[in-house]
Amino acid sequence: DQQVKQNSPSLSVQEGRISILNCDYTNSMFDYFLWYKKYPAEGPTFLISISSIKDKNEDGRFTVFLNKSAKHLSLHIVPSQPGDSAVYFCAALNNDMRFGAGTRLTVKP
Amino acid sequence: EAQVTQNPRYLITVTGKKLTVTCSQNMNHEYMSWYRQDPGLGLRQIYYSMNVEVTDKGDVPEGYKVSRKEKRNFPLILESPSPNQTSLYFCASSFQGTNEKLFFGSGTQLSVL
Repeated sequence: DQQVKQNSPSLSVQEGRISILNCDYTNSMFDYFLWYKKYPAEGPTFLISISSIKDKNEDGRFTVFLNKSAKHLSLHIVPSQPGDSAVYFCAALNNDMRFGAGTRLTVKP
Repeated sequence: EAQVTQNPRYLITVTGKKLTVTCSQNMNHEYMSWYRQDPGLGLRQIYYSMNVEVTDKGDVPEGYKVSRKEKRNFPLILESPSPNQTSLYFCASSFQGTNEKLFFGSGTQLSVL
């Protein structure tokens, strides 16, 4: 039972363009959402988070949007850089943290 | 340097041969957890520990054991590994619980033949 879903296994964008990574969840009790970034041969690292009381959180080139009615969140990276190429995991939190399956982002020079 | 250290990075073993994957953190975190990552399934929690001598099952605890005798260490034990435990394992920690960001180790790639 996957409560957090990332339906796009991969995404490829051109350097300088916007990357949009999507995440859907089924449990309306989730009240905190996080994005983690993972490079090969490394563990995931925290990127950005958002509380359910907000609909947007921005940190430099990274912005997370939350649409509670649609149970959907997205991560926008603008402008995308080759160093952003990684696997991105969406995570949702209530009492436990649930992770999506990840989306592999490739940013082409 | 603040970090979560897992060992070994790679491990190949045979069915039934007991093994331990070590995890240590130097951030004085109270909360520690083990995850496995499988294609299409993301990260699934195996066991977690809120503090010393306190451990609880996660989503996929079958076939695993853990212990938390000291705050910094949280080893994952496979008493009798089976091929379906072939996976990429991550240890993680946070100051107080899952209600905040986790710090992950670099992972242990386990293959059970």
